[in-house]
Amino acid sequence: DVKVTQSSRYLVKRTGEKVFLECVQDMDHENMFWYRQDPGLGLRLIYFSYDVKMKEKGDIPEGYSVSREKKERFSLILESASTNQTSMYLCASRPILLPLAGDADTQYFGPGTRLTVL
Amino acid sequence: GENVEQHPSTLSVQEGDSAVIKCTYSDSASNYFPWYKQELGKGPQLIIDIRSNVGEKKDQRIAVTLNKTAKHFSLHITETQPEDSAVYFCAASRKLTGGGNKLTFGTGTQLKVEL
Repeated sequence: DVKVTQSSRYLVKRTGEKVFLECVQDMDHENMFWYRQDPGLGLRLIYFSYDVKMKEKGDIPEGYSVSREKKERFSLILESASTNQTSMYLCASRPILLPLAGDADTQYFGPGTRLTVL
Repeated sequence: GENVEQHPSTLSVQEGDSAVIKCTYSDSASNYFPWYKQELGKGPQLIIDIRSNVGEKKDQRIAVTLNKTAKHFSLHITETQPEDSAVYFCAASRKLTGGGNKLTFGTGTQLKVEL
């Protein structure tokens, strides 16, 4: 079974703090993703990475950055946390897609980190 | 970009009844449609999916239908049980111009199965 773990289930930080959310997957997946989940808004993509050292902006990258130094680890960084970043953060991974092989865009999610910024 | 709308936002059914959740998408290039179930305190987990070249797929009590012309797809759960209570997300996947695929999620449906 694919296992995606996130460093914390619950986190409380103060406005202005630098926050690191860590995600590790154990299935040697090339692609990794960070989403935030808010009521009524579903899952929105913040950043993703196709491979080590690579990163791409998603739909809502403002206020966030990411780091992918190792294949299994993808970190989300809030440079200066703000109250509007209070949310559930979900990490996901996916193997590289080979369309000609009929691969499907199936992502495997971690349990999430509920971040509260005071 | 792709836009996925999901309805209803909440759904309450009696145990044993059927539940239907509907989604529409905007980009005709989307070709893969997964459904995820998120139980309390857990991350979303894939429960069923359908590709654009298929109209219907069934797996025990759950089924998904796809109407490409109308750009909508639905999740059907029959003989609902209390353990079906969760948040369900639909999603649509399409290839990006620069390479890779992007998954766009609906806003979620909170399903409650009452005894």
